[in-house]
Amino acid sequence: EAEVAQSPRYKITEKSQAVAFWCDPISGHATLYWYRQILGQGPELLVQFQDESVVDDSQLPKDRFSAERLKGVDSTLKIQPAELGDSAMYLCASSLDSGSYNEQFFGPGTRLTVL
Amino acid sequence: AQSVTQPDIHITVSEGASLELRCNYSYGATPYLFWYVQSPGQGLQLLLKYFSGDTLVQGIKGFEAEFKRSQSSFNLRKPSVHWSDAAEYFCAVKNTNAGKSTFGDGTTLTVKP
Repeated sequence: EAEVAQSPRYKITEKSQAVAFWCDPISGHATLYWYRQILGQGPELLVQFQDESVVDDSQLPKDRFSAERLKGVDSTLKIQPAELGDSAMYLCASSLDSGSYNEQFFGPGTRLTVL
Repeated sequence: AQSVTQPDIHITVSEGASLELRCNYSYGATPYLFWYVQSPGQGLQLLLKYFSGDTLVQGIKGFEAEFKRSQSSFNLRKPSVHWSDAAEYFCAVKNTNAGKSTFGDGTTLTVKP
């Protein structure tokens, strides 16, 4: 069964360091999402791609976060510099298209701890 | 702005008992509504969704949910809970077909043997 892959699964870093997360969506899925899930809360959308284009990054802290999906397939989310408040689970999801009729499939997430 | 409230942070039920998880949303028109389940250390899995039509929707793993416009609610139910249902459950709303999803803060379900 096709799955969304994410790596690493866990990352521990010190504040002010740079970190990067990778996501490989299900083959053929045009829409890719990055969510941040703080402990005890629901996921919050950081950025949404349609193919290689960003369609929503309104909640992405652009002074330190960046995301790219250069060939419209896999994607990287970067934080530089990391801050203590960035400790969270970072979830990637993909769907065939952005329409609500298309189910979002989530990866297992990357648990980030900033010390 | 759309919002989702899950009033119960934590619920404990006995195995075999019935379950109802509450979800209230705030949005003017008919929203797109979803329930997801998240097992520890895992991503989210879609249980069911409502767009229009029959207000009682069936999902996977024996779950169902009922949309009640008058109460702005979309509660999740299961007639008989299994130990494997222990997880965190999230309700989510979308305001348009391609709009972004807003999630509630989740309800953690514990199942007693």
